[in-house]
Amino acid sequence: KQEVTQIPAALSVPEGENLVLNCSFTDSAIYNLQWFRQDPGKGLTSLLLIQSSQREQTSGRLNASLDKSSGRSTLYIAASQPGDSATYLCAVAPGGGADGLTFGKGTHLIIQP
Amino acid sequence: DADVTQTPRNRITKTGKRIMLECSQTKGHDRMYWYRQDPGLGLRLIYYSFDVKDINKGEISDGYSVSRQAQAKFSLSLESAIPNQTALYFCATSEGFSYEQYFGPGTRLTVT
Repeated sequence: KQEVTQIPAALSVPEGENLVLNCSFTDSAIYNLQWFRQDPGKGLTSLLLIQSSQREQTSGRLNASLDKSSGRSTLYIAASQPGDSATYLCAVAPGGGADGLTFGKGTHLIIQP
Repeated sequence: DADVTQTPRNRITKTGKRIMLECSQTKGHDRMYWYRQDPGLGLRLIYYSFDVKDINKGEISDGYSVSRQAQAKFSLSLESAIPNQTALYFCATSEGFSYEQYFGPGTRLTVT
């Protein structure tokens, strides 16, 4: 059974810092990995999708990498801002014909002004 | 208007009651999903549907049923609600397998 772990569970940093969120998964047979942002009381917003054949994806100040063989992904946030405060979720799509995402429990990020 | 909508947004019900959560989408996607989110457990897949004729169980389908009334509508039912079904429920859509998933705003369900 696929398991997704996110470290750290919570992180608080001053505004302007660059930071890295980590995600690991136990079964490397995945089709893609997706990073989401969740704000309190709201739904999930997709940030980046990395297909299993890709190594990284970038969107603005966000960069996500994928090392499928080692079962790891990182989300890099450059020049953090208070508006980046949210919970960040990592999710993997399985191979083998199944569907649906397996999620980590998230990293709760606070950017201090 | 939001692409994926869920109704109701909040619901309080009593143990043993039947309840239906509804999801509608305007994205034209074939695939739709239901997840639940519990504190400390993350999101888990309940059911998913490839099209109106195809329904599949997810990791935690016991105690739930679904109906795909049309390409744009996917409903989740709790036939006899119990307190441990108290959670935040999300609907999601996808254009196809291995494509990005888009989530609705969620329904907060409380079973007393």
